[in-house]
Amino acid sequence: EVQLVESGGGLVQPGGSLRLSCAASGFTFSSYEMNWVRQAPGKGLEWVSYISSSGSTIYYADSVKGRFTISRDNAKNSLYLQMNSLRAEDTAVYYCARVLRGSGYYPFYYWGQGTLVTVSS
Amino acid sequence: AIRMTQSPSSFSASTGDRVTITCRASQGISSYLAWYQQKPGKAPKLLIYAASTLQSGVPSRFSGSGSGTDFTLTISCLQSEDFATYYCQQYYSYPPYTFGQGTKLEIK
Repeated sequence: EVQLVESGGGLVQPGGSLRLSCAASGFTFSSYEMNWVRQAPGKGLEWVSYISSSGSTIYYADSVKGRFTISRDNAKNSLYLQMNSLRAEDTAVYYCARVLRGSGYYPFYYWGQGTLVTVSS
Repeated sequence: AIRMTQSPSSFSASTGDRVTITCRASQGISSYLAWYQQKPGKAPKLLIYAASTLQSGVPSRFSGSGSGTDFTLTISCLQSEDFATYYCQQYYSYPPYTFGQGTKLEIK
């Protein structure tokens, strides 16, 4: 059974940092592109970042570029999101999401349960 | 970035109704369009991809159509468990992946 389990969320002050983790199991993690998607309270879905299966290709939403860093450790079956210079508008539930198939043009199929990040003083 | 616009933003319907949600892309995306269902406090669930391919395990009352810029999600006979928020997403041109703003389907 495929599982994605996020952790690392919490309350942080504006300007602070947080590192999210996503532990993957039930599939060959190193074969799949991964993403982070967030959802502010009462709002819609916003894609945050993408990483290819090898980690060689990375993309960010303009809203987080220069502040967030996505990475993965295929040996540990884990995905990460380092979030620096956090702002109030970064408050959201953060989901890790796996694409439907290994690579290519596919939507997000498996999602974690989400971890809440609250940026507030 | 490709902008995805859904309509309506919210909708009231009754069980047994047939409902249609539309999604328009700001430029052509071929058939690289997915539909998700999200219930409160839960992660989104993939319903349809490639505009019209039903994901395994999704009831056949859900269907999708369209290509290019105009797409629809149809629920043929609403069940109580279908009341949720629905999102479209394009995965034709990224970054960024983009989602519609969502359509909240409520019980009348």
